Amino acid sequence: AQSVSQHNHHVILSEAASLELGCNYSYGGTVNLFWYVQYPGQHLQLLLKYFSGDPLVKGIKGFEAEFIKSKFSFNLRKPSVQWSDTAEYFCAVLLTTDSWGKLQFGAGTQVVVTP
Amino acid sequence: DAGVTQSPTHLIKTRGQQVTLRCSPKSGHDTVSWYQQALGQGPQFIFQYYEEEERQRGNFPDRFSGHQFPNYSSELNVNALLLGDSALYLCASTAWGDEQYFGPGTRLTVT
Repeated sequence: AQSVSQHNHHVILSEAASLELGCNYSYGGTVNLFWYVQYPGQHLQLLLKYFSGDPLVKGIKGFEAEFIKSKFSFNLRKPSVQWSDTAEYFCAVLLTTDSWGKLQFGAGTQVVVTP
Repeated sequence: DAGVTQSPTHLIKTRGQQVTLRCSPKSGHDTVSWYQQALGQGPQFIFQYYEEEERQRGNFPDRFSGHQFPNYSSELNVNALLLGDSALYLCASTAWGDEQYFGPGTRLTVT
């Protein structure tokens, strides 16, 4: 069965530190990949997405992610975090054979940025 | 531009009861998906509606059913509620070529 794994459930770091969140998926075919963020009390929002082309994808708020096909990974990065980046982050996969939009999510990583 | 809206915000039900949750999609969207997000987990796909028909379904029992109306709004119904049905229920809407936009969710507590 297809699955999405996020390596860390909780991450605590200080402002200005660098952030990297791991995501691996298990599926042998072509996939579309996403990172969503859920700020406290807010909706799930799309941070960035990869469909094809350049495997280094830039999203909103200074986030980027790198798709490494050989490793089935799509890790999220931000060089210098801010207190406002405190949120829960979800990696998600859309199988491109599934044109109807069924997203498979990881369990999420709770990120806390301390001042 | 109104985004995805859901009602109610919170709901408390007793085991064995039935519940109906509602979703209005983002303007211009015709496809609605429902997800269940249990505490500490990522959202799990329940089903998706397009042209008033269930187009795809996740691994959820028949107690979970839905409906889409001609104006593209949707309802999620859950019968014979179990304690394990307590979760945040998310609605997401999309249209061909667009990303999925999520609503704020309905927090269902089953006691």
